[in-house]
Amino acid sequence: SSELTQDPAVSVALGQTVTITCRGDSLRIYYANWYQQKPGQAPVLVMYGKNNRPSGIPDRFSGSGSGNTASLTITGAQAEDEADYYCNSRDSSGDLSYVFGIGTKVTVL
Amino acid sequence: EVQLVQAGVEVKKPGESLKISCKASGYSFTNFWIGWVRQMPGKDLEWMGIIYPDDSDTRYSPSFQGQVTISADKSISTAYLQWSSLKASDTAMYYCARRESDNFYDYFHHWGQGTLVTVSS
Repeated sequence: SSELTQDPAVSVALGQTVTITCRGDSLRIYYANWYQQKPGQAPVLVMYGKNNRPSGIPDRFSGSGSGNTASLTITGAQAEDEADYYCNSRDSSGDLSYVFGIGTKVTVL
Repeated sequence: EVQLVQAGVEVKKPGESLKISCKASGYSFTNFWIGWVRQMPGKDLEWMGIIYPDDSDTRYSPSFQGQVTISADKSISTAYLQWSSLKASDTAMYYCARRESDNFYDYFHHWGQGTLVTVSS
């Protein structure tokens, strides 16, 4: 099965820009999706496909990707953006299965 | 409004059986796959499996095949995750989520609030 690799933690100053990266072979075939999870809460979808924000997600969130890499960028990070962020995609095995990255803890300083 | 409602907490002893539920509302239950995701304490998200409620077509992650059973009752718009004999290592939060897909995208948009399963003697 596939694996998705993420940096365990990143920090960003309030109002600055941070980019989280996800790498994996499955991303050569399938788009990445991104989920935000705050402590004690269920994950929330913040980005899907190449660069699609669900309704209600601020436009400071943007997505990009190329080859085996996908990225989520927060432009002008706010205190409420401090959370764990997980990437996910279909597994490249061909069957209907999925894989999640290990998550990136974003700290807003 | 799409909602997936899960019970809050289950406390069980090792060896006991358990069936947790995910009740859907606000959409046609039979038209969307429902997935299950495990999150062990302080750990990352793990995809467990997925079911299509209309015909109960089910797929499992190799890591969870044979360890759990996923089912659905379309008459009451509810998906289930069950164990026949729990282990302490099954202690985790379990989320259900609705799959959205088209020719280009495949993602989980709507999530339940999770069921915390604690297995302890």
